Amino acid sequence: ETGVTQSPTHLIKTRGQQVTLRCSSQSGHNTVSWYQQALGQGPQFIFQYYREEENGRGNFPPRFSGLQFPNYSSELNVNALELDDSALYLCASSFLAGSYEQYFGPGTRLTVT
Amino acid sequence: KQEVTQIPAALSVPEGENLVLNCSFTDSAIYNLQWFRQDPGKGLTSLLLIQSSQREQTSGRLNASLDKSSGRSTLYIAASQPGDSATYLCAVHLLGYGQNFVFGPGTRLSVLP
Repeated sequence: ETGVTQSPTHLIKTRGQQVTLRCSSQSGHNTVSWYQQALGQGPQFIFQYYREEENGRGNFPPRFSGLQFPNYSSELNVNALELDDSALYLCASSFLAGSYEQYFGPGTRLTVT
Repeated sequence: KQEVTQIPAALSVPEGENLVLNCSFTDSAIYNLQWFRQDPGKGLTSLLLIQSSQREQTSGRLNASLDKSSGRSTLYIAASQPGDSATYLCAVHLLGYGQNFVFGPGTRLSVLP
């Protein structure tokens, strides 16, 4: 059984650019959630996808968007990058039933200059 | 709006001590509560999950308790070791549109040899 994986590990972008982050869910999981973690803070919920549709969203602007694919992998897209988007982006997968326990990937460190 | 706080923000103890980390949440309508460990710059490792109907969970030297009515959870670490040094985060799981977690800011633990 493979765990949650994310790519790339690190990324440096310039303000105004667009970025795509990728996540591969743990085997058997049908739900993926994305979180943003600024330095020294707890993760903030961005959105969740279940069966390829958005199933919930936190307080993030529309320039944060996502996709979930039939194999339950997922992408997080951020347009018009701002300096404050610099953070660790975490992906978590779960099965939408039972305990809903979430399993997190190692994260992608995004730096916007 | 659910808010999660953690006390203390940072803790430094000598090796071998027993310690307690505290987590408080404002809305008792939670599905479950999960404790995580995060090493610097890394993703989250799940430690313990407590369902809302449970009072405590144990794993090795770790014991987590939950008191929904008072909005509190504690993580007890017995016989601390330098390898326990990390940031510990608690997160409450909300049901509804978007099953997501609300995280506390974390407690940064240093166990000195």
